[in-house]
Amino acid sequence: SQQGEEDPQALSIQEGENATMNCSYKTSINNLQWYRQNSGRGLVHLILIRSNEREKHSGRLRVTLDTSKKSSSLLITASRAADTASYFCATDASGGATNKLIFGTGTLLAVQP
Amino acid sequence: DVKVTQSSRYLVKRTGEKVFLECVQDMDHENMFWYRQDPGLGLRLIYFSYDVKMKEKGDIPEGYSVSREKKERFSLILESASTNQTSMYLCASSLSRGARMGQFFGPGTRLTVL
Repeated sequence: SQQGEEDPQALSIQEGENATMNCSYKTSINNLQWYRQNSGRGLVHLILIRSNEREKHSGRLRVTLDTSKKSSSLLITASRAADTASYFCATDASGGATNKLIFGTGTLLAVQP
Repeated sequence: DVKVTQSSRYLVKRTGEKVFLECVQDMDHENMFWYRQDPGLGLRLIYFSYDVKMKEKGDIPEGYSVSREKKERFSLILESASTNQTSMYLCASSLSRGARMGQFFGPGTRLTVL
């Protein structure tokens, strides 16, 4: 059961531009998380936003959450070639201590130098 | 830093073989997870464990089993490997009350079943 769907599937931008990725999900959640994966490697946790929060910032990352639309967006400002990676949203609907996540299909971001 | 290690980066096995994938974490996390990742499908949860000897099925448990005899180690077992189990396998761990820190992932094992 795929909870999160990312849009677009792939995104190519120039260094210095902003990159926006969107995520939609289906059911009520406790929190939504964004992860990054460099090619052929494991995922790295970037940021978490709780269901009662609307916006969160961390460095060049800005995440928004609209629970009425069941959607979230990840904005990377002033992108760098090193930001090239796949980005996944993941929703936690467990309501308990397991932190069980359901991942989306990911957005492949390519930042051209 | 939390470290999650997986026993192999690349593994090639034959159809019908029994395959063990090992995952070890060094931060005393209660929760551990096994995912498989396939192009266009994202990460799908196979099994997870929230305590020693405790396990729960994820979304795609068929053809897999798991073992958690010690808190730091979570093993994924393919009882009789098949070609459709060729995939990237990712292990992760998390604190029981540590949602804010998310899950910590290992580097992955790319398994090919011939």
